[in-house]
Amino acid sequence: KAGVTQTPRYLIKTRGQQVTLSCSPISGHRSVSWYQQTPGQGLQFLFEYFSETQRNKGNFPGRFSGRQFSNSRSEMNVSTLELGDSALYLCASSLEAARGINEQFFGPGTRLTVL
Amino acid sequence: KQEVTQIPAALSVPEGENLVLNCSFTDSAIYNLQWFRQDPGKGLTSLLLIQSSQREQTSGRLNASLDKSSGRSTLYIAASQPGDSATYLCAAQDSNYQLIWGAGTKLIIKP
Repeated sequence: KAGVTQTPRYLIKTRGQQVTLSCSPISGHRSVSWYQQTPGQGLQFLFEYFSETQRNKGNFPGRFSGRQFSNSRSEMNVSTLELGDSALYLCASSLEAARGINEQFFGPGTRLTVL
Repeated sequence: KQEVTQIPAALSVPEGENLVLNCSFTDSAIYNLQWFRQDPGKGLTSLLLIQSSQREQTSGRLNASLDKSSGRSTLYIAASQPGDSATYLCAAQDSNYQLIWGAGTKLIIKP
């Protein structure tokens, strides 16, 4: 069974640009969550999508947005990039047979560098 | 507000030793607690998940325990190997279904 895949793996952008990251969950998994990981802040929850609906959202500005498609694939968009957005962006999927009991499986991440 | 703490931040032990990593959380109202490992520059690998109703989970040389009343979880690694070197993270799923993360323990196993 294929794992969670994320594309691209590496990305370099300049301030003010926007970026779209993609995540394909494990087949059959309906929930996709996004996280930002930085050396200073550690891992922080961005948002979660389930059945094409945002079900949960962390404390990030509106420049961070996402969506989920009918095949459960998800994209995350960051507009008006800032230097502080440089981070490893991780996507995780889970089966979500019932909330609160599901193991999350992570992709390899997208390393975003903002210059 | 849930806070998760991992102590120590770094640990270096000789190969073959048994070791314990600690994770503490401030709010006992959690759905589950999950342990992960992360290799440098890589994503996260799920190791063990303990539901709130469970006390422990085991996988191979790994054993994780959960004590909600004291707000603690431990990850026990038996007979450590150099391949166990990585950063170990714990995360508690809070009442809003969000994973709240510890800062991790960087483990080095010396051959």
